[in-house]
Amino acid sequence: EIVMTQSPATLSVSPGERATLSCRASQSVSRNLAWYQQKPGQAPRLLIYGASTRATGIPARFSGSGSGTEFTLTISSLQSEDFAVYYCQQYDDWWTFGQGTKVEIK
Amino acid sequence: QLQLQESGPRLVKPSETLSLTCTVSGGSISSSSDSWDWIRQPPGKGLEWIGSIHYNVGPYLNPSLESRVTISLDTSNNRFSLKVTSVTAADTALYWCAKKEGGNYFDDWGPGTLVTVSS
Repeated sequence: EIVMTQSPATLSVSPGERATLSCRASQSVSRNLAWYQQKPGQAPRLLIYGASTRATGIPARFSGSGSGTEFTLTISSLQSEDFAVYYCQQYDDWWTFGQGTKVEIK
Repeated sequence: QLQLQESGPRLVKPSETLSLTCTVSGGSISSSSDSWDWIRQPPGKGLEWIGSIHYNVGPYLNPSLESRVTISLDTSNNRFSLKVTSVTAADTALYWCAKKEGGNYFDDWGPGTLVTVSS
């Protein structure tokens, strides 16, 4: 099983600042990686797939990068609605999620 | 617009079987490009992929759960189902059904249903 490790567990950021979230795979997943945003009581929402392609309707302030085992989700200027938990998910070999990074208001 | 909706009992007794159904509207579960999945989240924890089914392939089941899980497709009614046998408190979770685009990432989700295992 490919294990996905996200860091940090919690990220405290002020509105308007940049947030950088990391995701590491236990073995190469090429660019077969997606990012999701989850708010309390809601289903996750697809943000990014193919490591860097934004899903339909996702604002340009969300960007993804990386390949192989190291990936990054960047939120360029945090808006109030962006405070949430973010998960990465690999789909190179079956399907596994990271444990999540909570982005909270500083 | 594709919509998914979970349904089933919210309370299940220990050792019994958890059964959920996902009804799909606005699209066909016989789509050649999509798979249909179940994902769960225990309270305060992360996401766990349970299993997947495609109209002519699968199911694929999480190895950690496969001895207790069944996923099936009902093409006549455009829905798919999940059964988890011999449940314990550890199976208490928010359960979602989701569409997996091209067998890869989850681009449509149901609203989710909280299932509690308790006597």
